[in-house]
Amino acid sequence: AQTVTQSQPEMSVQEAETVTLSCTYDTSESNYYLFWYKQPPSRQMILVIRQEAYKQQNATENRFSVNFQKAAKSFSLKISDSQLGDTAMYFCASLSRGSQGNLIFGKGTKLSVKP
Amino acid sequence: DVKVTQSSRYLVKRTGEKVFLECVQDMDHENMFWYRQDPGLGLRLIYFSYDVKMKEKGDIPEGYSVSREKKERFSLILESASTNQTSMYLCASSWAWGGEVNGYTFGSGTRLTVV
Repeated sequence: AQTVTQSQPEMSVQEAETVTLSCTYDTSESNYYLFWYKQPPSRQMILVIRQEAYKQQNATENRFSVNFQKAAKSFSLKISDSQLGDTAMYFCASLSRGSQGNLIFGKGTKLSVKP
Repeated sequence: DVKVTQSSRYLVKRTGEKVFLECVQDMDHENMFWYRQDPGLGLRLIYFSYDVKMKEKGDIPEGYSVSREKKERFSLILESASTNQTSMYLCASSWAWGGEVNGYTFGSGTRLTVV
């Protein structure tokens, strides 16, 4: 069974600084995908970034990037130049390709960006 | 834009009532999901459906049932609501084999309180 672990329940960062959210996962699948979702106070879950396990290159989306360490089963999210609008819950999730698999979520990290 | 619409944003029900949570998506997605979100526990899968009239149990199906009579609509049913079912309920949808590409699209959640 897949598991996803986020070890930081809460974090805070000053506006304009950089913050890294940690995520580790466990899967026996060889073909899988990893995601970071953001859930602001509006509750709408928004996809931030995704990574295909077979790709070595780390995914980036503007100020968001990941550090994907496949051997260590680690998938951290780096947010650069943090903005007040980045304040949200962040969920790490994994999905296996082979079984019409389902998204498995971590417990989330609550990020507060302080002015 | 893909839309997943949940019929109620907030709902208050009494213990023992039969409760229906409705979810409608407008992108012809094959897959639909119901998650429950609780602080410190992340998102947990209740039920999912790959096609009309098909359903599969997720990780925490006890006390819930689902109905999918039409492709666009996926209903979560609490047969006899209990206080421990007070939670945030999130509906999501995805393509049959595209969930790993784009992740899931989520509704904005129904916060259910059972008194």
